[in-house]
Amino acid sequence: EPEVTQTPSHQVTQMGQEVILRCVPISNHLYFYWYRQILGQKVEFLVSFYNNEISEKSEIFDDQFSVERPDGSNFTLKIRSTKLEDSAMYFCASSAIWGRKTKNIQYFGAGTRLSVL
Amino acid sequence: KQEVTQIPAALSVPEGENLVLNCSFTDSAIYNLQWFRQDPGKGLTSLLLIQSSQREQTSGRLNASLDKSSGRSTLYIAASQPGDSATYLCAVRPGGTSYGKLTFGQGTILTVHP
Repeated sequence: EPEVTQTPSHQVTQMGQEVILRCVPISNHLYFYWYRQILGQKVEFLVSFYNNEISEKSEIFDDQFSVERPDGSNFTLKIRSTKLEDSAMYFCASSAIWGRKTKNIQYFGAGTRLSVL
Repeated sequence: KQEVTQIPAALSVPEGENLVLNCSFTDSAIYNLQWFRQDPGKGLTSLLLIQSSQREQTSGRLNASLDKSSGRSTLYIAASQPGDSATYLCAVRPGGTSYGKLTFGQGTILTVHP
């Protein structure tokens, strides 16, 4: 079964450094998302992306964050200058064209655990 | 602002029991509701999706119901097994946006002991 792939599984970085989290969505999907989950807290929406532009973003997604689809397969989340509070599990998700079969299910990757020291 | 709450926060049952997990949401104008399973340190696995026009969905031993007007959904797990031990999350998508963001509850941690 097709799946969303995220790399790396764990990223350790120093405060103030830039990090790029990578995702390969399911190949025929058109809508892409990033969520995060701080340890012990709810999964929170960060941003959605369609047709090479951001379609929606949350208050969390400030100027320190950016997303990009640099080629036909990858979808990246960049944090320009990491803070301690950015430590979390980051999940990428994708969903397909609407249809009875797909039901707009969002499929999630296994996540990247970001640790900011 | 949509708020999603799950009760109970944790549940421990012996193997073989039937159990019910509850999810409530404050804004009934949803497009659909999705139930997920999360294993420790892992990603989210979609279990069931219920469209706003549906009342229930079934997959194997799982049955999810939706009462949109009262802002409630339940996940029923029949004949629980130790392998069902995980955190179960519900998430709602706002109405009018078929590809909108999901708003998650905090999850129910389920432990099924042999």
